[in-house]
Amino acid sequence: DSGVTQTPKHLITATGQRVTLRCSPRSGDLSVYWYQQSLDQGLQFLIQYYNGEERAKGNILERFSAQQFPDLHSELNLSSLELGDSALYFCASSAEGRIYNEQFFGPGTRLTVL
Amino acid sequence: KNEVEQSPQNLTAQEGEFITINCSYSVGISALHWLQQHPGGGIVSLFMLSSGKKKHGRLIATINIQEKHSSLHITASHPRDSAVYICAGKTGNQFYFGTGTSLTVIP
Repeated sequence: DSGVTQTPKHLITATGQRVTLRCSPRSGDLSVYWYQQSLDQGLQFLIQYYNGEERAKGNILERFSAQQFPDLHSELNLSSLELGDSALYFCASSAEGRIYNEQFFGPGTRLTVL
Repeated sequence: KNEVEQSPQNLTAQEGEFITINCSYSVGISALHWLQQHPGGGIVSLFMLSSGKKKHGRLIATINIQEKHSSLHITASHPRDSAVYICAGKTGNQFYFGTGTSLTVIP
């Protein structure tokens, strides 16, 4: 158990809908990272937050947004969902925002868009 | 073309064998991350390294920044090592992921 929790575990929704994925980092970790893993694209880095502020942005679509709250949990919002958004979404946390910090991954949320 | 290439894509080994998985990258990176993804989907971070060598139990990771190459070695492989191993290069604030090496260790 990494100490990172993600809810929900599974999510099934329809095209055009909006969903929110939630991540609670390990106790004391200030950084949260979001990743998408799809069958055709593999793992992709979406976005990183550090202590409430956006730190780095990867291949995140404009339809997606994220935030990190004062209690350090983070939410990833996906809107106007398309079939291609079906994927596993992982969050990870690390103690700081520095590049050498090890990341601890949550169990993932499996999103299915029908 | 992927910025990060892994080889081999698939690997089958007998229990006890020494295993090497390679990762080459074309972008300049500041650190490299080795991840293990279990059949159930969970991801575990194995190593984050920027130079030299790191060892944890039966796992050893090496990196040569100048040659843009990293290797993950597993000594005395065991069926529980069966998983997908993914390397990821970090450059600036971006991560570039390899497509993974699927390892199966047969008893």
